[in-house]
This record gives sequence, C-alpha cells and structure tokens, in this order.
Amino acid sequence: GENVEQHPSTLSVQEGDSAVIKCTYSDSASNYFPWYKQELGKRPQLIIDIRSNVGEKKDQRIAVTLNKTAKHFSLHITETQPEDSAVYFCAARGGNTPLVFGKGTRLSVIA
Amino acid sequence: EPEVTQTPSHQVTQMGQEVILRCVPISNHLYFYWYRQILGQKVEFLVSFYNNEISEKSEIFDDQFSVERPDGSNFTLKIRSTKLEDSAMYFCASSERGEQYFGPGTRLTVT
Repeated sequence: GENVEQHPSTLSVQEGDSAVIKCTYSDSASNYFPWYKQELGKRPQLIIDIRSNVGEKKDQRIAVTLNKTAKHFSLHITETQPEDSAVYFCAARGGNTPLVFGKGTRLSVIA
Repeated sequence: EPEVTQTPSHQVTQMGQEVILRCVPISNHLYFYWYRQILGQKVEFLVSFYNNEISEKSEIFDDQFSVERPDGSNFTLKIRSTKLEDSAMYFCASSERGEQYFGPGTRLTVT
C-alpha cells in the first residue's frame, strides 16, 4: 500500500520568510496529493491540492510542486504570517482509494 | 458554504461500552470516510463507504467497528465495546469526486 513520508516534523520561521515542507510517496499509481492545515483542536482544512497531470499549482501565498519521477511533492508558503502557524499534513491517494497521510509538520511563525 | 457536521463534539464513555458517532456529510457527496487521530499523531484511515456499502477498510477497522447510513443524510460509526486505546479524535469526511472535506471531529475519551 501507499506510504507517505513527511519532513520536517517541526519548522520555525520568522514572519515574512518562506516555509517549505516536503513529502515523498511510494505508490506510483497515486495521482492526487492534497495538503491540509490543522489548527489546534480543529478539523484538517484542505488548503491546496495537486493532481498528477500538473507539476505546480499556486494559490496566493501557497504553492505545491510535484515531481512524479522522484515521487515527491512539496508545499511552499511565502511571506509567512503568524496565522500560518499550524500543523500541516500532506496526503496521497490513487483513484477513489483512501487518503494516506504523512505524520505532519508543526509550523511556527515567529513574529 | 456546505460543511460536514459531526455530533457529539465530545463523548466520554467507560471501557466496554458501545458508542455511536454521527456525521452528516455534504449533501451531494457520494463517498464517505471515517478517520481517527490519536492526540499528537497523524490522521489514520478507518473505512470508506460508497453506494451503501464499505468500499475499503484498514486494519484498525476490526469487528468492533461498524458503519451505517441509516437514512439519506446521516453516516454513523459504531464501536461495539470500547477500549482505552480507542480514545482519539474521530473525523468524518466526504467527497464528491476527489477533494475530501473533513468534519469538526468527535473527541472520544474512554475511561
């Protein structure tokens, strides 16, 4: 089955700097890669996703890149703000199979 | 914007008791999921449900667990005889095609 590895487990950045979180996946059949943001005690919120037919997707300050050959994908947050502080989870799946999540990255943005 | 809803938000139960967690998926969604998240850990898949039957389940989803869609709107997870290690946050999710949207979760505490 699919296995998703996520790094780093914690990340601290200064406000205004960029943050990058990286994930690798094992199943070459996976074709959908969402990123979720989870604030303390709250539900995971879908913030951006990418499908295997594109290499990059942007939405304002966040972007995701996908390298199918290397089986890795990354989340980039630019101009970080304190409200970006949360745990971020990557996930992967193929077709209508369940999402397999990474272990999460705790991002702290220091004002 | 439609959201997945879950009740109760917090359930405390004694070991060996049965619990039923309830979810109302987004109305036009066809795929339903249950995930759990032990405190501080990643989100883990339990079961997926499509066309009134289980489409996939994980090793966690043993004989103590069951799911049901008793009517056109509710989707329930039953744990027949709770164990201490069932203490976790349980998230329901639904999707139409690809993107999965999570409910706010039910925090289950087994004492």
